[in-house]
Amino acid sequence: EAQVTQNPRYLITVTGKKLTVTCSQNMNHEYMSWYRQDPGLGLRQIYYSMNVEVTDKGDVPEGYKVSRKEKRNFPLILESPSPNQTSLYFCASSADRVTGELFFGEGSRLTVL
Amino acid sequence: GQQLNQSPQSMFIQEGEDVSMNCTSSSIFNTWLWYKQDPGEGPVLLIALYKAGELTSNGRLTAQFGITRKDSFLNISASIPSDVGIYFCAGQSNTGNQFYFGTGTSLTVIP
Repeated sequence: EAQVTQNPRYLITVTGKKLTVTCSQNMNHEYMSWYRQDPGLGLRQIYYSMNVEVTDKGDVPEGYKVSRKEKRNFPLILESPSPNQTSLYFCASSADRVTGELFFGEGSRLTVL
Repeated sequence: GQQLNQSPQSMFIQEGEDVSMNCTSSSIFNTWLWYKQDPGEGPVLLIALYKAGELTSNGRLTAQFGITRKDSFLNISASIPSDVGIYFCAGQSNTGNQFYFGTGTSLTVIP
């Protein structure tokens, strides 16, 4: 089954404790991206990757890092999480940036205390 | 970042009624997209629009790409309970690399 898998789905952590949210897709997609969803703000793009070893900042990259060492994986790293990073995070991938068809994961709800 | 204003924020309608929502941007987009998000899941693409003035249907859904390229609307006809969810518009950058989402319209359908 074609899917985008995120882990963990739920996480409660404390300020400053480094964490990684993993994202893996089995569709051989070149393009992958991360979003955060906050009430009243919709989804905002954090980082995107057009291919292996090619990443770039989206709209809200501060406080986040990403890497793309393999085509299928695109982890999101919070080196020193802060409470304002409490949010619902989505990873998405796309085979074709022309069509705009993003396939989203089920989301990871992160709470930073 | 670019701001997409989506309205209304929420709608409560009776089953069978038609629904209309729209999205406006301060910038021009070459592609407009409409997504639906069910509770506890990620958004799913409903309709994609690639040309100014384009009108596209997908079953009971119809969407239009505004002539100015700064707006789009989505209509749902004869709503049913499974239409419940949050609907998002999105504009895709000219390079295709960045996506800007609206603030969402929460739809509740009362049986």
